[in-house]
Amino acid sequence: AQSVTQPDIHITVSEGASLELRCNYSYGATPYLFWYVQSPGQGLQLLLKYFSGDTLVQGIKGFEAEFKRSQSSFNLRKPSVHWSDAAEYFCAVGASKAAGNKLTFGGGTRVLVKP
Amino acid sequence: NAGVTQTPKFQVLKTGQSMTLQCAQDMNHEYMSWYRQDPGMGLRLIHYSVGAGITDQGEVPNGYNVSRSTTEDFPLRLLSAAPSQTSVYFCASRKTGRNQPQHFGDGTRLSIL
Repeated sequence: AQSVTQPDIHITVSEGASLELRCNYSYGATPYLFWYVQSPGQGLQLLLKYFSGDTLVQGIKGFEAEFKRSQSSFNLRKPSVHWSDAAEYFCAVGASKAAGNKLTFGGGTRVLVKP
Repeated sequence: NAGVTQTPKFQVLKTGQSMTLQCAQDMNHEYMSWYRQDPGMGLRLIHYSVGAGITDQGEVPNGYNVSRSTTEDFPLRLLSAAPSQTSVYFCASRKTGRNQPQHFGDGTRLSIL
């Protein structure tokens, strides 16, 4: 069965500093990976996705993520954080068609931004 | 540009009551799903549907029923509400295919007393 682990429950970062959120997955085949962001009281918005090809993927809002198969990781990064990046971030892995194309989410990482 | 619409946004129930959470999408997406979000547990899949007339169980289906009579609508029914079902519920839709991103509604915050 697929699973996703986000080791950091909370991260506090100063505005303008860099941010890296960790994501480790477990999946038996080539993973389809996603990062979502959730602002308070809102639904989830897709930041970026990885299916194949270049292992460094660019997303919206200045985010990028790097797929490392050897480490089963898909870490999210942003070079310079803005106060509006304070939110909760979820990593997810998509299952095969045989498994219903289901999406499994990690537990989330809440990002706090200090002025 | 509605996307995925969930109603109500907030609801308080008493233990044993039943209710239906509504979800509608206007993007002609085949795949729809319901998740519950609890602190530290991410989103867990309750039920999903790959098209009208087809539904299947997710990770935490007990206590919930779904039906999919049209492409647009995917209601979630709580048969007899329990305090353990206090949560935030999200409906999502997407096109078929594991590389398709989910589009989420804004959620329904449900409290069971």
